[in-house]
Amino acid sequence: DGGITQSPKYLFRKEGQNVTLSCEQNLNHDAMYWYRQDPGQGLRLIYYSQIVNDFQKGDIAEGYSVSREKKESFPLTVTSAQKNPTAFYLCASSPGRVDYEQYFGPGTRLTVT
Amino acid sequence: GEDVEQSLFLSVREGDSSVINCTYTDSSSTYLYWYKQEPGAGLQLLTYIFSNMDMKQDQRLTVLLNKKDKHLSLRIADTQTGDSAIYFCAETGTYKYIFGTGTRLKVLA
Repeated sequence: DGGITQSPKYLFRKEGQNVTLSCEQNLNHDAMYWYRQDPGQGLRLIYYSQIVNDFQKGDIAEGYSVSREKKESFPLTVTSAQKNPTAFYLCASSPGRVDYEQYFGPGTRLTVT
Repeated sequence: GEDVEQSLFLSVREGDSSVINCTYTDSSSTYLYWYKQEPGAGLQLLTYIFSNMDMKQDQRLTVLLNKKDKHLSLRIADTQTGDSAIYFCAETGTYKYIFGTGTRLKVLA
């Protein structure tokens, strides 16, 4: 089955630790995205990548980092510099053009205490 | 600005119609989308409308687009308890999607 997976579903970390969220897709999509979701604020774009070995900052990139070494993988690292990291993180992919449908993973809920 | 606006909550009785509204900002968007998010899950595409259309019907879903007012609506006929979720509209900007804040639909039995 084609799809997009995120792991783990729930993640708990202590303040000051970096943590990496996994996102994998087997849809052969060129573009991948990371969003952060907070209650009542919709989805905010953290980083996006339109092609392997290239990525751009979104609206709230501070305190986050990404890599895109393989087409199917786009991991997100939440660093200790992120002031308020507790949130629901969603990964998405699309065939490439910005106006195509985006396919979402199930999300990772990160709690930092 | 780039804000796509939606009301936060809507409550309807089972069997009634639900209408979720959205005001978008970018008149150059090629497509406008409606996504559904069930609790603790990712978003799933519900339907979309091409920007040169006024209306699109897909089973219980009707999308209306008023380009002059930049207003998009989603009507769900015969709303069921399984329709309880958060609904997001989205427009396609220059390089990214712009999502609305989401409308939480609660269906009362």
